[in-house]
Amino acid sequence: GDSVTQMEGPVTLSEEAFLTINCTYTATGYPSLFWYVQYPGEGLQLLLKATKADDKGSNKGFEATYRKETTSFHLEKGSVQVSDSAVYFCALKGGSEKLVFGKGMKLTVNP
Amino acid sequence: DTAVSQTPKYLVTQMGNDKSIKCEQNLGHDTMYWYKQDSKKFLKIMFSYNNKELIINETVPNRFSPKSPDKAHLNLHINSLELGDSAVYFCASTGRGATNEKLFFGSGTQLSVL
Repeated sequence: GDSVTQMEGPVTLSEEAFLTINCTYTATGYPSLFWYVQYPGEGLQLLLKATKADDKGSNKGFEATYRKETTSFHLEKGSVQVSDSAVYFCALKGGSEKLVFGKGMKLTVNP
Repeated sequence: DTAVSQTPKYLVTQMGNDKSIKCEQNLGHDTMYWYKQDSKKFLKIMFSYNNKELIINETVPNRFSPKSPDKAHLNLHINSLELGDSAVYFCASTGRGATNEKLFFGSGTQLSVL
């Protein structure tokens, strides 16, 4: 079945550091890919998405590119802030209409 | 004007009790979900309803029973609570067409079974 594998962390960075969170997927067909973010004490919210190969999703300084050849959707940000401290989930939606999440990665950014 | 609201936010109870968590969305969405998030933040889908009909039912104990009185509400009833049921439960909803790829989540219900 469809699955998502992502870095689990936790990861601690200093403010203004570069962030990469790896995500790879297994799916039949052409899934849509997502990054969700969960801030402390809140539910998940969509950060960005890409629906076809080579699409780049971007939001709040975060970017991720849909790479079909490597089945990857790595999340990057050039300069993280303390307010980016959260848990990040990679997800895909394939033919089953079910959103499948990775295990989540907790990021802490220190001033 | 909360989009997806669930109550209660915290629930502490004894083993063996029966409890319910309520969820309501005012987004006009057709599909609603329950997810369970464990202590390691792993998120797993439990159920999904579309227009009051069950469409996804993952391997979940029979003690968990979702109920959807209308498409704006999806409640979760849990019988005979066990220690392993302690987790954060999230309700979510999604609309039709291009918007149905974006889930809107409630803020979660932290269930602690003692």
